[in-house]
Amino acid sequence: DSGVTQTPKHLITATGQRVTLRCSPRSGDLSVYWYQQSLDQGLQFLIQYYNGEERAKGNILERFSAQQFPDLHSELNLSSLELGDSALYFCASSASRDRGGEQYFGPGTRLTVT
Amino acid sequence: ELKVEQNPLFLSMQEGKNYTIYCNYSTTSDRLYWYRQDPGKSLESLFVLLSNGAVKQEGRLMASLDTKARLSTLHITAAVHDLSATYFCAVGGGSNYKLTFGKGTLLTVNP
Repeated sequence: DSGVTQTPKHLITATGQRVTLRCSPRSGDLSVYWYQQSLDQGLQFLIQYYNGEERAKGNILERFSAQQFPDLHSELNLSSLELGDSALYFCASSASRDRGGEQYFGPGTRLTVT
Repeated sequence: ELKVEQNPLFLSMQEGKNYTIYCNYSTTSDRLYWYRQDPGKSLESLFVLLSNGAVKQEGRLMASLDTKARLSTLHITAAVHDLSATYFCAVGGGSNYKLTFGKGTLLTVNP
């Protein structure tokens, strides 16, 4: 158990809908990262937040957005969902005291768009 | 753009044998990570390599980093069935903490 929690574990929804994925980092970690894992794209970095502020952006679609709240939990919002958005979405956290810090991954949310 | 290549992508081994997984990356980086993923599960951190020549060992797994060659290796010694999983290398680059992952190596250890 990494100490990172994600809810829900599974989500099934229809095309065109909007969902919110939630992540709570390890106690004391200020950085949260979102990754998408799919069969065709592999593991891709989406976005990073540090202490409430966006720090880095990766291959995140405009239909997707994220934020980190004052209590450091983070939410990833996916809207106008398409079949191709079906994937495993991971959140990771790190202490960010130095750039070599490990990223600890949560259990993931499996999103199925039908 | 940083690219990370792993090979082989599929590896079927017999128990007791040794093998090496290779991870090449395209641009200078000072951070390399190895993760393990079991089917349908999360990623488990195995090794963090932060300097040229770094070598780390845990059980039957040993990882090394050559930053000049932009190459990391994950060596498996005397494989056992419990090592069956997908292994990813990930490289950090730039001033942020973003990780770029390889495609992963699916390792199957057969009795």
